[in-house]
Amino acid sequence: EVQLLESGGGLVQPGGSLRLSCAASGFTFSTYAMSWVRQAPGKGLEWVSAFTGSGSSTYYADSVKGRFTISRDKSKDTLYLQVNSLRAEDTAVYYCASFVSGYYYYGMDVWGQGTTVTVSS
Amino acid sequence: QSALTQPASVSGSPGQSITISCTGTSSDIGSYNYVSWYQQHPGKAPKLMIYDVSNRPSGVSNRFSGSKSGNTASLTISGLQAEDEADYYCSSYTSSGSWVFGGGTEVTVL
Repeated sequence: EVQLLESGGGLVQPGGSLRLSCAASGFTFSTYAMSWVRQAPGKGLEWVSAFTGSGSSTYYADSVKGRFTISRDKSKDTLYLQVNSLRAEDTAVYYCASFVSGYYYYGMDVWGQGTTVTVSS
Repeated sequence: QSALTQPASVSGSPGQSITISCTGTSSDIGSYNYVSWYQQHPGKAPKLMIYDVSNRPSGVSNRFSGSKSGNTASLTISGLQAEDEADYYCSSYTSSGSWVFGGGTEVTVL
């Protein structure tokens, strides 16, 4: 069964950092395009960052560029999102997702359950 | 990376058809057939309903269909059912290599 399981969220002060993790199973993680998407409380979905697959190009939303870093450990089948210089507006549920057949230009068909990041003093 | 534009809400009676529009620009929807639609029930993760404008993933009802014209994509739900009541989001690949979502549409089954 294809599965994604996020962890690493929590309460952090403004300016703080966290590393979010997404453990993948049931598919060839190393070649798949993967993405992070977040959803602030009561708000819509916001695309955050992505890997394009085996070519491993990375992309970021303007709102997080320079503060967030996406990476992955192929030996552990795990996707990461390092989130630095956190702001109140980064408070959200963070989902990781994989693309249909691993292809970056298709939609995201497998989603984790999400991990919650709360930025507050 | 401006969000795609969707109506805030759409409603219909059981059995009816509804259409949700999603308007972008020539830098996203207008240039690529990489438009997808997601359904999200409260407290749940999004579910992919349509990708590549009009393709349905395995297991998604054929009551859901997608189309595109110019800078606007559309999702049509036919034979509306109570279980279709949810939030729906469109998404498009962009010329900068990123993705952008719409603001979301709340579908109410009357």
